Amino acid sequence: GIQVEQSPPDLILQEGANSTLRCNFSDSVNNLQWFHQNPWGQLINLFYIPSGTKQNGRLSATTVATERYSLLYISSSQTTDSGVYFCAVELMDSSYKLIFGSGTRLLVRP
Amino acid sequence: NAGVTQTPKFRVLKTGQSMTLLCAQDMNHEYMYWYRQDPGMGLRLIHYSVGEGTTAKGEVPDGYNVSRLKKQNFLLGLESAAPSQTSVYFCASSGREYGYTFGSGTRLTVV
Repeated sequence: GIQVEQSPPDLILQEGANSTLRCNFSDSVNNLQWFHQNPWGQLINLFYIPSGTKQNGRLSATTVATERYSLLYISSSQTTDSGVYFCAVELMDSSYKLIFGSGTRLLVRP
Repeated sequence: NAGVTQTPKFRVLKTGQSMTLLCAQDMNHEYMYWYRQDPGMGLRLIHYSVGEGTTAKGEVPDGYNVSRLKKQNFLLGLESAAPSQTSVYFCASSGREYGYTFGSGTRLTVV
């Protein structure tokens, strides 16, 4: 089956720093989504991004489908950005199932 | 607009007991999913549904059953709970253009 790999697995930042999270996938996909899981366990959809670049405030994402990777940029990080960031790819069938990577655990220190 | 609601939020079962987790969505989504999340891992798909009356197996379906009798509800059943089913269970629904919406999760412990 398709493999979804995220890097780095863990990341510690000082408040105000910038970071880039990467997601590689092993096969063609219909779509890609980025999620943030906050320390209370809630999963929030950040981006629905099959290709190109999208921005939402301090966060932006770029997916290069032809090269099978996506990047999530976090600028001017805040302590509330802490949590786990998941990349998930949508398989090319009619079910719209998502296959998740194992996540990047981010800790932003004040 | 509640989105996706999961009940219960917490549950402790004894080995061999059965239970049903309920997922309800009010967004008129066709697609619904059950995932489990284990420590240090991403989410793994248990079962999913592409419409009322349909269900299909995901990556880790063994030990679970599901039903989608109404479009807005997706039930996950454990017939005979095992300690290996201790996990956090997430339900999600999909409206295609806007991606997934997840429920807040059910933390299940099997002792």
